[in-house]
Amino acid sequence: DADVTQTPRNRITKTGKRIMLECSQTKGHDRMYWYRQDPGLGLRLIYYSFDVKDINKGEISDGYSVSRQAQAKFSLSLESAIPNQTALYFCATSDLAGGANTGELFFGEGSRLTVL
Amino acid sequence: RKEVEQDPGPFNVPEGATVAFNCTYSNSASQSFFWYRQDCRKEPKLLMSVYSSGNEDGRFTAQLNRASQYISLLIRDSKLSDSATYLCVVYNQGGKLIFGQGTELSVKP
Repeated sequence: DADVTQTPRNRITKTGKRIMLECSQTKGHDRMYWYRQDPGLGLRLIYYSFDVKDINKGEISDGYSVSRQAQAKFSLSLESAIPNQTALYFCATSDLAGGANTGELFFGEGSRLTVL
Repeated sequence: RKEVEQDPGPFNVPEGATVAFNCTYSNSASQSFFWYRQDCRKEPKLLMSVYSSGNEDGRFTAQLNRASQYISLLIRDSKLSDSATYLCVVYNQGGKLIFGQGTELSVKP
């Protein structure tokens, strides 16, 4: 089984609908992230969380919200989806080693969202 | 200006070629640097960290120039299996890992 699991893997929805992407991990990491990937733009950070009570905005948080329900779960919501939120979304986790981030992110397989 | 910038390519090279990718970053307080590899439609995976003194892992060599805020990745003796997108990643204060847009490499027989 994958260490970082995203659901759904693919979703097609309509403008204005509320969408939730879920992420769960079995790595025991405190840090979790949501990125979106668009062709030619690389991965852009939406939100990140360093523990259950911690939520931080990334580069492109407008139109998104997140919830860190437990150490292992971090969900991303689009309250009212719009077509330019069509993208590939990745959840990732990381750990601290010796007080420094090792830089190794462990990604889920991605959730492909299409907003019509 | 993007915080981390890469030449998007694509780089089309024959097997056995040496190819180099460059990356620049704008935040002089950036702390750590990495190269990730992403295969088509897959999740990115860590390829190697980049150390100030430069480091090598088999056919891959990474270099960091803090004065110029520049990172490079050199791949020697390219294999078909090296075809992928290579992502430059910078770790900034506050714990954020920022990705460049990626450089696409295609190695041809």
